[in-house]
Amino acid sequence: GENVEQHPSTLSVQEGDSAVIKCTYSDSASNYFPWYKQELGKRPQLIIDIRSNVGEKKDQRIAVTLNKTAKHFSLHITETQPEDSAVYFCAASKGGGADGLTFGKGTHLIIQP
Amino acid sequence: DTEVTQTPKHLVMGMTNKKSLKCEQHMGHRAMYWYKQKAKKPPELMFVYSYEKLSINESVPSRFSPECPNSSLLNLHLHALQPEDSALYLCASSLFSGGAAGELFFGEGSRLTVL
Repeated sequence: GENVEQHPSTLSVQEGDSAVIKCTYSDSASNYFPWYKQELGKRPQLIIDIRSNVGEKKDQRIAVTLNKTAKHFSLHITETQPEDSAVYFCAASKGGGADGLTFGKGTHLIIQP
Repeated sequence: DTEVTQTPKHLVMGMTNKKSLKCEQHMGHRAMYWYKQKAKKPPELMFVYSYEKLSINESVPSRFSPECPNSSLLNLHLHALQPEDSALYLCASSLFSGGAAGELFFGEGSRLTVL
């Protein structure tokens, strides 16, 4: 089955700096890669996703890049703000289906004021 | 309405109790899911219902029994649970399962404590 590795497990950055979280996946058939943000005590929420037919997608301060050859994808957050503090999960699935999502172990992002 | 609603928000039960978790969505989604999440861990898939039929059961113990009465409702019946079953139980839905199903919408979760 699919295996998703996520690094780092904890990331502390100064407010205003950029944050990068990296994931690798094992199954070359995976073609859908969402990122979820989960604040303490709240539900996971989709913040951005990418499909294997594109290499990069951007939404304001958030961007995701995908390297299919190397089987890794990354989340980039620029100009970080205190409200970006949360746990971020990457995931991968085949067929673009939500039912096949395999999650990474999560990154606790801490924004230092 | 882009909400997945779960009740109760908190539940404390003994190992001999029978209780149920409920989930509702009115987005016209045809796939609904139960996930279990332990503290500081990612969500783990338990069950998937597609068009009201159970399509995936991830080897979950029989003390957890899912039910999908209709396309908007999903229940998880709990019986004879163990303390290690204490966790946040998340319901989720998507337009459909498989293919380009797109975004998975999560509910706020039901926090279960088994004494």
